[in-house]
Amino acid sequence: GDSVTQMEGPVTLSEEAFLTINCTYTATGYPSLFWYVQYPGEGLQLLLKATKADDKGSNKGFEATYRKETTSFHLEKGSVQVSDSAVYFCAREHSGGSNYKLTFGKGTLLTVNP
Amino acid sequence: DVKVTQSSRYLVKRTGEKVFLECVQDMDHENMFWYRQDPGLGLRLIYFSYDVKMKEKGDIPEGYSVSREKKERFSLILESASTNQTSMYLCASSFGKAGANVLTFGAGSRLTVL
Repeated sequence: GDSVTQMEGPVTLSEEAFLTINCTYTATGYPSLFWYVQYPGEGLQLLLKATKADDKGSNKGFEATYRKETTSFHLEKGSVQVSDSAVYFCAREHSGGSNYKLTFGKGTLLTVNP
Repeated sequence: DVKVTQSSRYLVKRTGEKVFLECVQDMDHENMFWYRQDPGLGLRLIYFSYDVKMKEKGDIPEGYSVSREKKERFSLILESASTNQTSMYLCASSFGKAGANVLTFGAGSRLTVL
């Protein structure tokens, strides 16, 4: 079935460090892929998305490229800030005709220290 | 901005009690969702609704029911709360079928069942 595997955290970085959070998905169909972010005390919000192979989603300095050959959608940022501290969730669209359902990864907690 | 408001941020209930979690969105979204979020498990879909009075089971519907009598309101009901339903519950909404998987989340309701 559909699944998403993302790197386990927690991840702790210093400000201005480079960030990568790995995400792979099961290769059923051609799903849209997403990164959602949850800041402390808040609900999730969409960070970026990509709808087809080789698409690059980007927002707030974060990027992720839809790689069909490696079934991956890794999140990257060149220089993290303290305000990026949050939990990051990779997600894929459900296969089998219903795009109402999203399958989420387990989340990766990022802490950025000054 | 779309707002999704969950009526209670924190609830403490006793085993066997009937529990209502309320969610209201103010941007005329067709779709509404209830997820639960647990450490190490990520987000799991309980139920969703794509129209008034319409509902579909998600991945973990057992022990839950939902009600959507008005477009803006989606209620999650625990008929007889149990300790394994202690969790963070997240409501979300989205617009239309094409945008169904671009979710706007509420801040969450943390339920403790004693």
